[in-house]
Amino acid sequence: KQEVTQIPAALSVPEGENLVLNCSFTDSAIYNLQWFRQDPGKGLTSLLLIQSSQREQTSGRLNASLDKSSGRSTLYIAASQPGDSATYLCAPEGTGGGNKLTFGTGTQLKVEL
Amino acid sequence: NAGVMQNPRHLVRRRGQEARLRCSPMKGHSHVYWYRQLPEEGLKFMVYLQKENIIDESGMPKERFSAEFPKEGPSILRIQQVVRGDSAAYFCASSPVGIDTEAFFGQGTRLTVV
Repeated sequence: KQEVTQIPAALSVPEGENLVLNCSFTDSAIYNLQWFRQDPGKGLTSLLLIQSSQREQTSGRLNASLDKSSGRSTLYIAASQPGDSATYLCAPEGTGGGNKLTFGTGTQLKVEL
Repeated sequence: NAGVMQNPRHLVRRRGQEARLRCSPMKGHSHVYWYRQLPEEGLKFMVYLQKENIIDESGMPKERFSAEFPKEGPSILRIQQVVRGDSAAYFCASSPVGIDTEAFFGQGTRLTVV
């Protein structure tokens, strides 16, 4: 059974800092891993998807890396802004059938002015 | 191309009533997934459906919960005889194929049982 852990659970930083959010998963039999953002009371916005054959993926100020064999993924946020404040979720897709995602409990990020 | 549409956004039901949550996938997507987010918990998979078929319902509670995705119309998650513990955010996701692809989520339906 896949288990996903995200560290830290919460993070508060001043604007402009570069950030590292960590995700670990117990079962390396995955097709891919997605990073999402969730704003309070809202749905999930897909940020990045990394295929199992890829090492990293970039979109703007976001960069995600994947080390499938060690069960780890990292999301880097460069030059953080107050608008980045949200909960960040990682979710690997297992190979057990169907596009079924297992979520961690997230990292709650607050970027202050 | 509209995203995944869920309605209603907020639903209040009294204990014992029925709740019906609807989800229209993105255009061109024939795979639908329902997830539940209980207060202070992560999202948990409930059920995976294709048109007229339930593919994986391993995350569905054994009683009172059912889901369908008919040939025409939205996917429906139905909760009969709701209890306070059913209060949660229910999210629907869709994808164009069933494996190894990006999943797109709706805004969710927040169910409150009073």
